[in-house]
Amino acid sequence: ETGVTQTPRHLVMGMTNKKSLKCEQHLGHNAMYWYKQSAKKPLELMFVYSLEERVENNSVPSRFSPECPNSSHLFLHLHTLQPEDSALYLCASSQALGSRNEQFFGPGTRLTVL
Amino acid sequence: GQQLNQSPQSMFIQEGEDVSMNCTSSSIFNTWLWYKQDPGEGPVLLIALYKAGELTSNGRLTAQFGITRKDSFLNISASIPSDVGIYFCAGRRVQAGTALIFGKGTTLSVSS
Repeated sequence: ETGVTQTPRHLVMGMTNKKSLKCEQHLGHNAMYWYKQSAKKPLELMFVYSLEERVENNSVPSRFSPECPNSSHLFLHLHTLQPEDSALYLCASSQALGSRNEQFFGPGTRLTVL
Repeated sequence: GQQLNQSPQSMFIQEGEDVSMNCTSSSIFNTWLWYKQDPGEGPVLLIALYKAGELTSNGRLTAQFGITRKDSFLNISASIPSDVGIYFCAGRRVQAGTALIFGKGTTLSVSS
């Protein structure tokens, strides 16, 4: 039990679909993250939220839209994705930002874009 | 952009053998982390290191923060089949904010 859950675990969508990924953390943390994990590549940080405010957006295409309604929940809204967006999307949380506030990951959502 | 060089990319060993993997960087780091990822799961933090020269153990796992602050290694002693997975190093650069930089991972296979 990692304390970070993600739904759905698997998602197949067409390029014209709109879908959302959900992340929930049960650890009382104040920071949440979205990462993209592609085969043979390092984890890529997409978005960072601290106390429900976005603090980092690493040049992610606008077809990915994050939402953090409260410190326990994080969403990633998807629309008009491309096949190259197929990957494992990982959510993580930490007590706060900064050193010694290490990140705990959820199990990920395996996304396939057809 | 900044990259971590993690090696080896993959390892195939016999149960009971010791394993060593490492990460190097061209920049100085103030944090080194080691994660393990099982198939279909997210990475799980194994060991965190915050001081140059620090040596920390977690069961059969031992990791060290290199004294140059540009590298770290992870050792696994007496490997068992459940050690199979992908091991990632990650770190924070000095004066570069709080973002983690990840290595590409070392895939470990253990045969019994």
